[in-house]
Amino acid sequence: DVKVTQSSRYLVKRTGEKVFLECVQDMDHENMFWYRQDPGLGLRLIYFSYDVKMKEKGDIPEGYSVSREKKERFSLILESASTNQTSMYLCASSLSDRGVGNTIYFGEGSWLTVV
Amino acid sequence: GENVEQHPSTLSVQEGDSAVIKCTYSDSASNYFPWYKQELGKGPQLIIDIRSNVGEKKDQRIAVTLNKTAKHFSLHITETQPEDSAVYFCAASYSSASKIIFGSGTRLSIRP
Repeated sequence: DVKVTQSSRYLVKRTGEKVFLECVQDMDHENMFWYRQDPGLGLRLIYFSYDVKMKEKGDIPEGYSVSREKKERFSLILESASTNQTSMYLCASSLSDRGVGNTIYFGEGSWLTVV
Repeated sequence: GENVEQHPSTLSVQEGDSAVIKCTYSDSASNYFPWYKQELGKGPQLIIDIRSNVGEKKDQRIAVTLNKTAKHFSLHITETQPEDSAVYFCAASYSSASKIIFGSGTRLSIRP
């Protein structure tokens, strides 16, 4: 089975702190994603990466950055956490598109509270 | 860019009855339409998907229909059971894009 592992399930951070959310996948997937989930807003794409050291902005990249130094690992960074970044963050991965559709596999999520 | 709208946002059905969730998409180039189920405290998991060359697909109690002309697709769950209670997301993508656009989700509750 595909496994996407998010290292931290629950975090509480202070405003202004730098926050790292780590994600590892074990299926050699080319694509990796970070989503943010908020009630009534669904899943919103923050950043995605289709290869090592490559990244592209999603729909809501402001206040976030990402790092992909190795194929299996994709990190989300909040340079200076703010209370409006309190949310559930989902990491996901998929194979590179080959014209057949992309099944995305999600991790269990990281609940971040910024106080 | 692609936009996916999902309705209703909440749905409550009696156990044993059917549930239907509907989505519309904006990009006519979209050709892949997955549905995800998210149980409490977990990440979303794929439950069924459909590609644009097919109008309907079934897997036991769940089915998905696609109307490309109208740009909408639906999830049908028959003989609902308590374990069907969850949040369901529809999504759409097209083959030249690596990202999928999700709907806003439907919270389905099954009444005993």
